[in-house]
Amino acid sequence: AQKITQTQPGMFVQEKEAVTLDCTYDTSDQSYGLFWYKQPSSGEMIFLIYQGSYDEQNATEGRYSLNFQKARKSANLVISASQLGDSAMYFCAMRDSNYQLIWGAGTKLIIKP
Amino acid sequence: DGGITQSPKYLFRKEGQNVTLSCEQNLNHDAMYWYRQDPGQGLRLIYYSQIVNDFQKGDIAEGYSVSREKKESFPLTVTSAQKNPTAFYLCASSRGLAGGYSYNEQFFGPGTRLTVL
Repeated sequence: AQKITQTQPGMFVQEKEAVTLDCTYDTSDQSYGLFWYKQPSSGEMIFLIYQGSYDEQNATEGRYSLNFQKARKSANLVISASQLGDSAMYFCAMRDSNYQLIWGAGTKLIIKP
Repeated sequence: DGGITQSPKYLFRKEGQNVTLSCEQNLNHDAMYWYRQDPGQGLRLIYYSQIVNDFQKGDIAEGYSVSREKKESFPLTVTSAQKNPTAFYLCASSRGLAGGYSYNEQFFGPGTRLTVL
């Protein structure tokens, strides 16, 4: 069965430090996509970054990068130089063969000043 | 500005009532989705629609109904058959499968928080 696992329920990080949020996935599909979304306390889901299963290079978007290790089935999100505004829930999701998203349970990130 | 709107932001329902949550998008997206989020959990798919006048059940469709009469609109009705409807409901849209978009990022509305009294 296809599944996304986020093993860190919560994390505290000092402002300006880098932080890595873990995500592992399980799928038998050859073609799939991995997404990271941010959910602030206001509730809306904000798209951060995408990695396709055939992409050879790790995706980057500004301060966000995705550490994609296909053999280990992991797609960790790295946030460089964290800011207070990065405090939020972060969700990893996988696009399955039906083009639907399967979601992890999320990681609550709190940035300390 | 293109985007997705959901209304109301907060909704209170009495036991035995049906309520309808609105979702409208002006992104010209073919596909639309409804998710439910419970505290401390990820999103679970209720229904989705890839084209007007067609929709499919997601993982937790029981007690919910939808319609897709217009491309822009995808209302969700929470019926009295849904035994535990208190949750945060998110609507999303994407370009859909037409054209083979492999990226298919989903854009989300601001959500509706439903509470049963």
